[in-house]
Amino acid sequence: DIQMTQSPSSLSASVGDRVTITCRASQGISNYLAWFQQKPGKAPKSLIYDASSLQSGVPSRFSGSGSGTEFTLTISSLQPEDFATYYCQHYDSYPLTFGQGTKLEIK
Amino acid sequence: EVQVVESGGGLVQPGGSLRLSCAASGFSFSDHYMDWVRQAPGKGLEWVGRSRNKANSYTTLYAASVKGRFTISRDDSKNSLYLQMNSLNTEDTAVYYCVRSVNYGPRFTLDYWGQGTLVTVSS
Repeated sequence: DIQMTQSPSSLSASVGDRVTITCRASQGISNYLAWFQQKPGKAPKSLIYDASSLQSGVPSRFSGSGSGTEFTLTISSLQPEDFATYYCQHYDSYPLTFGQGTKLEIK
Repeated sequence: EVQVVESGGGLVQPGGSLRLSCAASGFSFSDHYMDWVRQAPGKGLEWVGRSRNKANSYTTLYAASVKGRFTISRDDSKNSLYLQMNSLNTEDTAVYYCVRSVNYGPRFTLDYWGQGTLVTVSS
């Protein structure tokens, strides 16, 4: 199975900050990587697919990059509604696996 | 509007069975792969399995942790996906999400998630 490792596991930041979350795959997955946002008590929401393509309706302050084994999710200017947990997930092969999550908290 | 709505969760004893349902609307259900993903309380996300579409013979794939115990099926005439769970144990306690998958290329990514249904396995 492909292991997905996110860093950091938690992050404190302020409104307006630029933040970056990293996701590493244990083997190459081309660009078959997605990012999801989850708020407490809610279902995950898809943000990015194919490593860098924004899902419809996702604000442009979110961006993704990377290929192979290393990927990043960047939020250019944090908004209050962005404080949540973020997960990466590969879909290159089965089983699909997720990173452990990065909790983004208000400083 | 795309919607997926799960139902059927509840409390079940270890060793018991439960069947979850997922009702889909707002898109062409028969064209899509559909997945189940679960989340244990306070934990991360775990892929459970996938149902491919009719064009791909409705084949199913499973995580090793549930293979042989869980069965995914679908009824395209009812726009519904199901998860039959047998031989349940406490480690199966989780919120179960029904998720639509879509392909923008050769691979399928998860896009629309239901609100989830809670399954609690306890004596």
